[in-house]
Order: sequence, then C-alpha cells, then structure tokens
Amino acid sequence: KQEVTQIPAALSVPEGENLVLNCSFTDSAIYNLQWFRQDPGKGLTSLLLIQSSQREQTSGRLNASLDKSSGRSTLYIAASQPGDSATYLCAAPSRQLTFGSGTQLTVLP
Amino acid sequence: DTGVSQNPRHKITKRGQNVTFRCDPISEHNRLYWYRQTLGQGPEFLTYFQNEAQLEKSRLLSDRFSAERPKGSFSTLEIQRTEQGDSAMYLCASSTNRGDRGNTWYEQYFGPGTRLTVT
Repeated sequence: KQEVTQIPAALSVPEGENLVLNCSFTDSAIYNLQWFRQDPGKGLTSLLLIQSSQREQTSGRLNASLDKSSGRSTLYIAASQPGDSATYLCAAPSRQLTFGSGTQLTVLP
Repeated sequence: DTGVSQNPRHKITKRGQNVTFRCDPISEHNRLYWYRQTLGQGPEFLTYFQNEAQLEKSRLLSDRFSAERPKGSFSTLEIQRTEQGDSAMYLCASSTNRGDRGNTWYEQYFGPGTRLTVT
C-alpha cells in the first residue's frame, strides 16, 4: 500500500525566501507524481505533474523534482510571496492517488 | 469549460438523514473520482469511475455510501443514515488519459468540494 509523507507539516518564512517542501513515498512503482495547492476551505489546484520518466518539471517560480529510486520528490518555490500561503499536497498514484497530509506554508509580508 | 463543478458547496444535516452530492466533471474526461478530506489531512480516495463503470471502491466506502455515474457524465454520491463522523469535505476530480511517447498518465483536476456537517 502506498504511503506518502510530507515534511515539514508547517512552515513559516519571510517574503522573498526560497524554500523547499519535501515528499516521500514508499511504493516507487508510480506512474507520476503530482503537486497540488489548497487554499483554506477550497478544492485542490494542480501545480505540477512529473511523469515517471521525468526527473523534474518547472512552472514559473515552482520547480518539482522526482527521484523514484529513493522515493522522494521536492517542490522548490523561488522568491516566495504572501500569495503563496496555502497548503501544498503531493500525491503519488499506484492503484489510486494517495496524498500526503500536506505542508501548510505561511509567507509573511 | 470551466472545470469540475460540485453541488451543493455546503450541506448541514442532522444525524440519521440522507444526503446526496453531485459532481459534474470536465466534459471530455472519462474518469471521475471521489475523495473525502478531514481537517488537517490529505484527501482519501473513495471510489472512481471510468465512463459509467465503477472500477474501484475503497474500504472507507461503507455500505451507507453509494456512488453512481449513470450516463458516464455527472456523478452522485449518496450517504445514507449520516453519522457525525461523516462530517468532512467531499472532493470530486476528473481526468482523461493522455499519452506521450507511449507513456500514459492521468492528471486529475479537482472541483471545489462539498463541505458536509452532520449535527
């Protein structure tokens, strides 16, 4: 059974900092890995999807990497802004999509 | 197309009542998923459909829960005899398969969710 862990559970940084969110998964036989953003009380917004054959994906200030052999993915956010404050979730599918508990990010102005 | 929609957005019900939620996926998506999310946790998979066929159900989906997708378009999730433990956000997602150089992968797009409160 796939298990997904995200560290840290919460993170508070001043505006402008670069930061890294970590995601680890136990079953490396994944099709892809997806990073989402969730604002309080809202649904999930897909940020990046990395195919199993890829090692990283970039979108604007976001860069996600995938290392299947070690069961890890990282989400790098450059030059953080207060608008980046949200919960960030990673999800790894095997038979079905399994989510971590998320990292709650607060970017202080 | 404006994405995945869910109705209602909020539902308050008394314990023991039945509730039904609706999800309208992105129109060309053949897969539809239901998840449940409680406070501070990631979403947990409940069930998914490919077209009108329900292909997988989680053990979380007790016999009080039933999901349908009768024409392969919208889906409903019904909870019978609600309990306080059913209070959660119920999320719907849809996807299609996209192939790239022989790889097939499924990017899921989520709706805004239905917040259920059982009193």
